Amino acid sequence: DAGVIQSPRHEVTEMGQEVTLRCKPISGHNSLFWYRQTMMRGLELLIYFNNNVPIDDSGMPEDRFSAKMPNASFSTLKIQPSEPRDSAVYFCASTVSWGNYGYTFGSGTRLTVV
Amino acid sequence: QQQVKQSPQSLIVQKGGISIINCAYENTAFDYFPWYQQFPGKGPALLIAIRPDVSEKKEGRFTISFNKSAKQFSLHIMDSQPGDSATYFCAANTNTNAGKSTFGDGTTLTVKP
Repeated sequence: DAGVIQSPRHEVTEMGQEVTLRCKPISGHNSLFWYRQTMMRGLELLIYFNNNVPIDDSGMPEDRFSAKMPNASFSTLKIQPSEPRDSAVYFCASTVSWGNYGYTFGSGTRLTVV
Repeated sequence: QQQVKQSPQSLIVQKGGISIINCAYENTAFDYFPWYQQFPGKGPALLIAIRPDVSEKKEGRFTISFNKSAKQFSLHIMDSQPGDSATYFCAANTNTNAGKSTFGDGTTLTVKP
């Protein structure tokens, strides 16, 4: 298994532009989580899905952020318009929701908004 | 509300020493306690985990100690090596919430040669 796959690995964009981050979870995992990591705020949960349905988006910082999971093998996190304070590493993680298991994280997308 | 409190924030240990990271939780419904290791530029990776029906779990040089009555658990790294230098996160799950973990704030471990 290739693990959780995120793309792109790095993204540099200008303020005001739309940014789309992508994630492919592990096959068979039915829960998917989007996190943001910064030095100041640590690891923040933005939103998570179970069986492709958004369960809790209370961590999404503003309406500029949106996430979708159109099927079990793909999710996107979109920022429109982007701002310099959105600069961070964004991680996607997946797991199975039955029983208790740990997460498998992707390698992350390092976003820089200039 | 911070439901998992992790300490210390940073830790410096000499090579060969024991590294100890502590976590405390509030929610008695938590029933799974994983630890993650994160190297710079990488995503966190599951290191070791424990369920509350045991008080200790050991995998190589890594041991989790669990105290259910005190609602505390800790990670011990024996014979710490420079390659163990990383950020460590404790977490806690309930068997609900779609597998969601509640994370501690992380501990940055530096092992000096």
